Amino acid sequence: ELKVEQNPLFLSMQEGKNYTIYCNYSTTSDRLYWYRQDPGKSLESLFVLLSNGAVKQEGRLMASLDTKARLSTLHITAAVHDLSATYFCAVDRVAAGNKLTFGGGTRVLVKP
Amino acid sequence: EPEVTQTPSHQVTQMGQEVILRCVPISNHLYFYWYRQILGQKVEFLVSFYNNEISEKSEIFDDQFSVERPDGSNFTLKIRSTKLEDSAMYFCARGPTSGHRTQYFGPGTRLLVL
Repeated sequence: ELKVEQNPLFLSMQEGKNYTIYCNYSTTSDRLYWYRQDPGKSLESLFVLLSNGAVKQEGRLMASLDTKARLSTLHITAAVHDLSATYFCAVDRVAAGNKLTFGGGTRVLVKP
Repeated sequence: EPEVTQTPSHQVTQMGQEVILRCVPISNHLYFYWYRQILGQKVEFLVSFYNNEISEKSEIFDDQFSVERPDGSNFTLKIRSTKLEDSAMYFCARGPTSGHRTQYFGPGTRLLVL
């Protein structure tokens, strides 16, 4: 059974500082996704990582993938209040019809 | 960017009642998914639907659940006899395409069973 674990579950950030969210998955997967969810809202796609060593960046967010370690990281640079949200990683396998298996989420709160 | 809409946005129902949640894709896709998210918890896969047939379902998707694409465009999730524990956000997602490799989620339906 594919399992996805994120840590930490909750991250209190100070504006201007750097932080990292970790995502581990238990078995080989084809793609790794990062989503953002604001309270009461839907999931917004941030990144799709396809291969070992993949790195993607958008603004203050950077995601990377190490398929050998089955680990992805989401790095936040110089946190700002607008980044407060819950961040989910998810993985899929083409052989499993691309259904997404999600981690438990990391709730991020950026304080001034 | 292709989108998915869902109706209703909120639904309150009594335990034992039937509910139908609707998903309307803006453009044609072959793959659709339903997920649910109990308040404060992670997103869980319910069922995938490919080319008008169920391709996979989770343990959560028991006999109380069904999916249909009655008119070739709208995509529905039916819960026949709701239980208190069915209270959750239900998201429809359209599958990845060659141009967009991620699953795009609709805005969700918040279901509250009393």
